[in-house]
Amino acid sequence: KNQVEQSPQSLIILEGKNCTLQCNYTVSPFSNLRWYKQDTGRGPVSLTIMTFSENTKSNGRYTATLDADTKQSSLHITASQLSDSASYICVVSASSVDYKLSFGAGTTVTVRA
Amino acid sequence: GAGVSQSPSNKVTEKGKDVELRCDPISGHTALYWYRQSLGQGLEFLIYFQGNSAPDKSGLPSDRFSAERTGGSVSTLTIQRTQQEDSAVYLCASSFRGLSGNTIYFGEGSWLTVV
Repeated sequence: KNQVEQSPQSLIILEGKNCTLQCNYTVSPFSNLRWYKQDTGRGPVSLTIMTFSENTKSNGRYTATLDADTKQSSLHITASQLSDSASYICVVSASSVDYKLSFGAGTTVTVRA
Repeated sequence: GAGVSQSPSNKVTEKGKDVELRCDPISGHTALYWYRQSLGQGLEFLIYFQGNSAPDKSGLPSDRFSAERTGGSVSTLTIQRTQQEDSAVYLCASSFRGLSGNTIYFGEGSWLTVV
């Protein structure tokens, strides 16, 4: 069973609207959680990194939250743009083997005009 | 370099042939990672290098897969006697010293198709 579950699997939103993506994980002991954006046919690009003590981090119109107690994270996209259309991947690493990242399957976001 | 560079970007090979995939990490990054992403699947860890050493090779799916890194920089992932199930995107990434919380930068991937 994947240790990182993302929802929804995909979503379609209108340009200018907001959306929130969810990530639940079971990785333990927890080290950090990252959100990546992956455009079709491209490599993933880092959006945010959060450690245990951080519960929110922003990168432009992207805001990530983390609740380490419930092992949940969310990525909120504000005022979506067509260029936000991509797959958003939640990645969690355990403190014992930080490099052995556990990847979620991703949420595919489609922004329509 | 400015980013993680991978080559070839696309490779079509016949079943049974050997392939080599190259990764040139960001200058100064001592940690290098290889991942595989099959169609519609999440990323799968293959191997991790710290300098020229690979402390964890547990992600390599079979003994047909091997990787090396020389000079603490360029890495090569070799797949021998390729099979159709090897078709995937092979992503290389690097980070500064591989410490917890460091940003991991990914290359654009090498798209391998085995026919």
